[in-house]
Amino acid sequence: KAGVTQTPRYLIKTRGQQVTLSCSPISGHRSVSWYQQTPGQGLQFLFEYFSETQRNKGNFPGRFSGRQFSNSRSEMNVSTLELGDSALYLCASREMGGQGAAEAFFGQGTRLTVV
Amino acid sequence: SQQGEEDPQALSIQEGENATMNCSYKTSINNLQWYRQNSGRGLVHLILIRSNEREKHSGRLRVTLDTSKKSSSLLITASRAADTASYFCATFTMAAGNKLTFGGGTRVLVKP
Repeated sequence: KAGVTQTPRYLIKTRGQQVTLSCSPISGHRSVSWYQQTPGQGLQFLFEYFSETQRNKGNFPGRFSGRQFSNSRSEMNVSTLELGDSALYLCASREMGGQGAAEAFFGQGTRLTVV
Repeated sequence: SQQGEEDPQALSIQEGENATMNCSYKTSINNLQWYRQNSGRGLVHLILIRSNEREKHSGRLRVTLDTSKKSSSLLITASRAADTASYFCATFTMAAGNKLTFGGGTRVLVKP
């Protein structure tokens, strides 16, 4: 099986712009989660999508949004970029099993730099 | 907010030695998972231990879980230079929604 694919790998944007990141989960995985990783805050949960519905959302401002398509591919969008949005954005896919969370498979991430 | 706190934040050992890192968390969990991250790359799942399990092994990895102390440890035996990475614990609690809550990580340097 192919792994989780995130595009692009690197991105440089200017403050005030918006950006869209893409994530293709492992085939058959219906859950896609997004995380932001920064040196100061560590790994922070952004949101999770399952069957095109947002199931859970972290504590991020409304500038951060996402969606999931019928083929489980997901995008996240950040509008009105701020310098503090510079981070590694990680996508994780999971095959929803029984009780409890199955292991998460992560993509290589998108490194976003806001200048 | 981070559920898990990891200790130590950084660890430097010689190849062949064992590396032990600890994770403490605050609330009840359904399971706890350990991940490895090589510099600036994605996370790789290492091992999952359920709340009703006390110990689990996978190759050179040994994980323990003490739910009464709300803590877990990861032991890497006979370390190799390739084990140099950051290691994160992540807790999953159904009541908190379907998300993994990560600790701050332990940076491990294995010197050849």
